[in-house]
Amino acid sequence: DAKTTQPPSMDCAEGRAANLPCNHSTISGNEYVYWYRQIHSQGPQYIIHGLKNNETNEMASLIITEDRKSSTLILPHATLRDTAVYYCIVGSGGSNYKLTFGKGTLLTVNP
Amino acid sequence: DAGVTQSPTHLIKTRGQHVTLRCSPISGHKSVSWYQQVLGQGPQFIFQYYEKEERGRGNFPDRFSARQFPNYSSELNVNALLLGDSALYLCASSLQGLNTGELFFGEGSRLTVL
Repeated sequence: DAKTTQPPSMDCAEGRAANLPCNHSTISGNEYVYWYRQIHSQGPQYIIHGLKNNETNEMASLIITEDRKSSTLILPHATLRDTAVYYCIVGSGGSNYKLTFGKGTLLTVNP
Repeated sequence: DAGVTQSPTHLIKTRGQHVTLRCSPISGHKSVSWYQQVLGQGPQFIFQYYEKEERGRGNFPDRFSARQFPNYSSELNVNALLLGDSALYLCASSLQGLNTGELFFGEGSRLTVL
């Protein structure tokens, strides 16, 4: 599985957009980029995933560079409840697949 | 609809004992995965079961075993507990693995080994 690199921590002001970067320079052609988050003492929560096109859902947007070596998760209007550890994961999907979590980015949203 | 449910939520064991953790997936989900999360680290994959068959195994010793029942619920068993087995054990279910990209995680079972 391709490795990902994320900053260990980031801060964001409430109401502003939070942009979380992720590097995955060894990603292969059939591998997806998944984002999950984990709020303290809870199980991880799926946010979004994509292959090469940008994706948007009710929670966030995922921007993947054209060479697919990096991506950015965007929370358009961060709230205090978005404070969590955000994990960027690369994998090939399918019915036999596992998620390989790194240490993620601790996003702290400040009032 | 009920999410993924795990039991017990917290438990304390001593070294050398055995533990069984239980997981009920979301109704209709046939795939169950188990993860171990040690304090300060991301979750680490232990097992995946799909349609009652083991489909994947992470880098864990044979003391760790699991099974999936006909109703798709699952058990994780750990024998001969070590202090290092203290962790949050997470269960996740999905409709058919990661084709949709989404695993639904439970709140976990927090195991403390003394």
